[in-house]
Amino acid sequence: GAVVSQHPSRVICKSGTSVKIECRSLDFQATTMFWYRQFPKQSLMLMATSNEGSKATYEQGVEKDKFLINHASLTLSTLTVTSAHPEDSSFYICSARLGLAGYTQYFGPGTRLTVL
Amino acid sequence: KQEVTQIPAALSVPEGENLVLNCSFTDSAIYNLQWFRQDPGKGLTSLLLIQSSQREQTSGRLNASLDKSSGRSTLYIAASQPGDSATYLCAVLASGGSYIPTFGRGTSLIVHP
Repeated sequence: GAVVSQHPSRVICKSGTSVKIECRSLDFQATTMFWYRQFPKQSLMLMATSNEGSKATYEQGVEKDKFLINHASLTLSTLTVTSAHPEDSSFYICSARLGLAGYTQYFGPGTRLTVL
Repeated sequence: KQEVTQIPAALSVPEGENLVLNCSFTDSAIYNLQWFRQDPGKGLTSLLLIQSSQREQTSGRLNASLDKSSGRSTLYIAASQPGDSATYLCAVLASGGSYIPTFGRGTSLIVHP
């Protein structure tokens, strides 16, 4: 089946630093990738939709200058949390959608970000 | 705007019980509905995917049904085991538009020995 990986799985950083999270589709090409954020005991909240080769589309209330998304290839999207603060601590999950073969998304294992 | 509700929010049962988790959605124009399992601190594991034209899907002890007209899906877990303890999320993919799933808040299940 379609596999999506994320790296790192866990990161702890100091307030004010930037953190990059990678999302890769391992065995398929993903024209569209999605980034979600999940707070404890809450559901997934879509942050942005990323299409290969174009700018990401951010959901209302998500700061695009804070959460930089790059989708430079069909197998890789990155989320950079810039000038991270403790309130950015969360679980970030990416998903990828198979090209034109349907709309089902395949989810990565998530990245736990803790900002001290 | 699609809204997805999961009931109950939490459930604690003894091992061996048969369980029903509920998911309801407000817009019946869906492409598919998917049930996921999430263990603490982990990502999502897809359990069952039901296309809009299907009524149910089965995998082992799991059975998911879909009633589009009433906007409901149920996940049935037979003979529950402690290893089933996790949060179960329902996600509805609306047809038309951007095809982005809407998630419920999940049902937190604890199965104790």
